[in-house]
Amino acid sequence: EAGVVQSPRYKIIEKKQPVAFWCNPISGHNTLYWYLQNLGQGPELLIRYENEEAVDDSQLPKDRFSAERLKGVDSTLKIQPAELGDSAVYLCASSYVPTDTQYFGPGTRLTVL
Amino acid sequence: AQSVTQLGSHVSVSEGALVLLRCNYSSSVPPYLFWYVQYPNQGLQLLLKYTTGATLVKGINGFEAEFKKSETSFHLTKPSAHMSDAAEYFCAVSGNFNKFYFGSGTKLNVKP
Repeated sequence: EAGVVQSPRYKIIEKKQPVAFWCNPISGHNTLYWYLQNLGQGPELLIRYENEEAVDDSQLPKDRFSAERLKGVDSTLKIQPAELGDSAVYLCASSYVPTDTQYFGPGTRLTVL
Repeated sequence: AQSVTQLGSHVSVSEGALVLLRCNYSSSVPPYLFWYVQYPNQGLQLLLKYTTGATLVKGINGFEAEFKKSETSFHLTKPSAHMSDAAEYFCAVSGNFNKFYFGSGTKLNVKP
């Protein structure tokens, strides 16, 4: 069984540039999470999807971050424009239902110069 | 609201020694508790979880944790450390599975 796939694995951009991250969850998993992990910290939830509906986006900085999960399968997280403080690892996770185990992807390491 | 405190950002043990990673939580509702492991450049992997029932939970790779409500703790242990256990470990709490709160992590170093 394939795990959670994320791309790219690494991204380096100049500040004020846009950037997008892609996540393909495990097949059949209805719940999808995007987390932000700063250096030396644990993951922090940005947004949670149930199928195609964003059921919790309270921690997503909506002035510059956006996300979508069309057709309730793969998802894209976008930052526009990126700031220096956005340098971090962006993790995607999925589960069959919210009460089930979350499976994490390897993450995208973003560096903003 | 829920929160997690992991005592010790770095723990170093010798191979074959006891591993003890500490986790204390705060929760206004009965908690669900988790331990995850993260190897370099990889995502988090679930080691074990406590939801209800038996307070001593056994996980993968010989790890176990005990839920102690009176101490609001969920410490992770392993009787004998192996070199392959070197990684970063995260404790997490959830009140209703809608949101997970992670600790800041403990990096485990295993000396030969």
